[in-house]
Amino acid sequence: QTVVTQEPSLTVSPGGTVTLTCASSTGAVTTTYYPNWFQQKPGQAPRALIYNTNKKHSWTPARFSGSLLGGKAALTLSGVQPEDEADYYCLLYYGAAQVVFGGGTKLTVL
Amino acid sequence: QVQLQESGPGLVKPSQTLSLTCTVSGDSIGSGDYYWSWIRQPPGKGLEWIGYIYSSGSAYYSPSLKSRLTLSVDTSKNQFSLKLRSVTAADTAVYYCARGYLRYFDFLGYWGRGTLVSVSS
Repeated sequence: QTVVTQEPSLTVSPGGTVTLTCASSTGAVTTTYYPNWFQQKPGQAPRALIYNTNKKHSWTPARFSGSLLGGKAALTLSGVQPEDEADYYCLLYYGAAQVVFGGGTKLTVL
Repeated sequence: QVQLQESGPGLVKPSQTLSLTCTVSGDSIGSGDYYWSWIRQPPGKGLEWIGYIYSSGSAYYSPSLKSRLTLSVDTSKNQFSLKLRSVTAADTAVYYCARGYLRYFDFLGYWGRGTLVSVSS
C-alpha cells in the first residue's frame, strides 16, 4: 500500500518562511506525480492551492509556491501571515485508480 | 463560478447503503474537460480519496473501497452520485465532492462544503 508522508506539525513565526514536504513510499517524487496542495481551516472544506507541482490557482496568494525538493514535493510559504495557520495536505497521482493524500501537516503561526 | 453541493442522509444504519448526490451549478457536468470526485474525512482525521468519474461514465475507485463503491453521473440533472454498500462505523465521515480539470492535472480545484454522514444504529 502506497503511503504519502508529511510532517505532522510545524511552527513558524509571522513574517517567516516555512517549507512543508510530501514524500512517497515508492521513492522520489517527480513531476509525473503531479503534486497538488490543499489548505484546510477548522470547520471548512479544503481549498486548493497548488496543482501540477507548481501551478497556482487564481485565488492562491503569491506567498505560496510549489516545487520539488530533495526527492519530495514541497510547499513553501514566504512571509507567513497569521491567517495561514491551518492544516495542509498534499496529493500525489500514481495512476488512474490511485490518488493518495498525505496525512497532513498542522501549521502553527506563533 | 462553479459550485458544488452535497446532499443525502446524515445518518445511515450499519450494513446499509450510503447514498450521496453532488449537484453542480455554474458549469456543465457534461463537459469532457473535467472529472468529478468524492473525498471523505473521518472526524479529526485526514483526507481520503474515494474515487472520480468522467462525464462519459468511466469511473476510478480507491482500491480499498472498490468492492463496495459505485459512482454514477446524471448529465440531465447536472449531478453525480456515490453509493457505498455495507457501511460500518468506520465509514462515518464528512463527505466532499469536487471538480478536477483533466488537462492540467488540477485534481480537486473546486470543492463542495461537505456533508457529515454518521453510521450508527
